[in-house]
Amino acid sequence: EVQLVESGGGLVQPGGSLRLSCAASGFTFSTHPMNWVRQAPGKGLEWVAYISSSGSTTSYVDSVKGRFTVSRDNAKNSLYLQMNSLRDEDTAVYYCARKFADWGQGILVTVSS
Amino acid sequence: EIVLTQSPGTLSLSPGERATLSCRASQSVTSSSLAWYQQKPGQPPRLLIYGASSRATGIPDRFSGSGSGTDFTLTISRLESEDFAVYYCQQYGSSPYTFGQGTKLEIK
Repeated sequence: EVQLVESGGGLVQPGGSLRLSCAASGFTFSTHPMNWVRQAPGKGLEWVAYISSSGSTTSYVDSVKGRFTVSRDNAKNSLYLQMNSLRDEDTAVYYCARKFADWGQGILVTVSS
Repeated sequence: EIVLTQSPGTLSLSPGERATLSCRASQSVTSSSLAWYQQKPGQPPRLLIYGASSRATGIPDRFSGSGSGTDFTLTISRLESEDFAVYYCQQYGSSPYTFGQGTKLEIK
């Protein structure tokens, strides 16, 4: 059974940083591209970042380019999202997703002073 | 960036009725790379349809997807109580992988 478990969320002040992690199990992590998707409270879904299976290719939504970095450690079956210069509008539940077929339960990030 | 527009915003139907949800893209979606998701409160999205018309694993056959190019449709043939939720379309053919704004399917 595929399992994706996010961690690392919480409350952070504007301008601060946070690193999200996603622990994967139940599949061969190193062979699958991964994504981060977020959902602001009461709003729709927004794709945030993509990383290829090897980690050599990444892409981002324009609103996070230069602030967020997606990475992975295939030896640890883990996906990461380093978030810097956080803004109020980054407040959301962040999901990691295997391609887009399997999703974690999500982790809440709140940016507020 | 491909903008996806879903209609209607809210659809009020009764169990047993047929639901038709629309997703229109601002430009042609690459290789029919169009997916549909169902989301219930407090839960992650659930993949229903990928490749515009292929059902994901475990999805009942009352859910079907169709369309190509810029116009796509999700049809639920006979609504059951558990189908009332929010539905999103998404294109994953070209970055950024955009979502539609969602259609809320509510009980009439």
